[in-house]
Amino acid sequence: DAGVIQSPRHEVTEMGQEVTLRCKPISGHNSLFWYRQTMMRGLELLIYFNNNVPIDDSGMPEDRFSAKMPNASFSTLKIQPSEPRDSAVYFCASRGQGNSPLHFGNGTRLTVT
Amino acid sequence: DAKTTQPPSMDCAEGRAANLPCNHSTISGNEYVYWYRQIHSQGPQYIIHGLKNNETNEMASLIITEDRKSSTLILPHATLRDTAVYYCISSGDTDKLIFGTGTRLQVFP
Repeated sequence: DAGVIQSPRHEVTEMGQEVTLRCKPISGHNSLFWYRQTMMRGLELLIYFNNNVPIDDSGMPEDRFSAKMPNASFSTLKIQPSEPRDSAVYFCASRGQGNSPLHFGNGTRLTVT
Repeated sequence: DAKTTQPPSMDCAEGRAANLPCNHSTISGNEYVYWYRQIHSQGPQYIIHGLKNNETNEMASLIITEDRKSSTLILPHATLRDTAVYYCISSGDTDKLIFGTGTRLQVFP
């Protein structure tokens, strides 16, 4: 099993540009989570999906952030327009049924200048 | 907000057991206790989880008190590579998993 795959690993962009982060969950997992991590705020849950449907997006900071899960094997997190304060490491995680644990990807380190 | 509390930091000598405590006094009957660790900027790594019975795997042991209000993660023989931030989370099967600030474990030679 390849685990949760995120791309790109690093993204450097200028303020105002659109950024798209990608995630492929573990095959067979039915829940997918997007987290953001910064030194100041720690690991924050942004949004999570169950069976491709967004369940709770209360952690999404602003309307500039959007997430989609068009099918069970792919999700995107988009920031448009990006701002320097969006700089962080963004993690995607997936889990299977019931109380199975979360499995995290290696993250995307986003730098907005 | 996270539903668990942990000490911010702990030290442990290499080769000794590391015992990391976690309080989850508001845990409900169907919520499990999960432990993860994060090394540098890597993604958090799952360690172990349990409901009410003690659990053991190749990485660690989890001791849950009878009233389920607290638990302890035990790394039986800590190595330098166990230096990391350790997170304790309580969650049900349909809940979102909220991470707190964790315990920064420093293993020293």
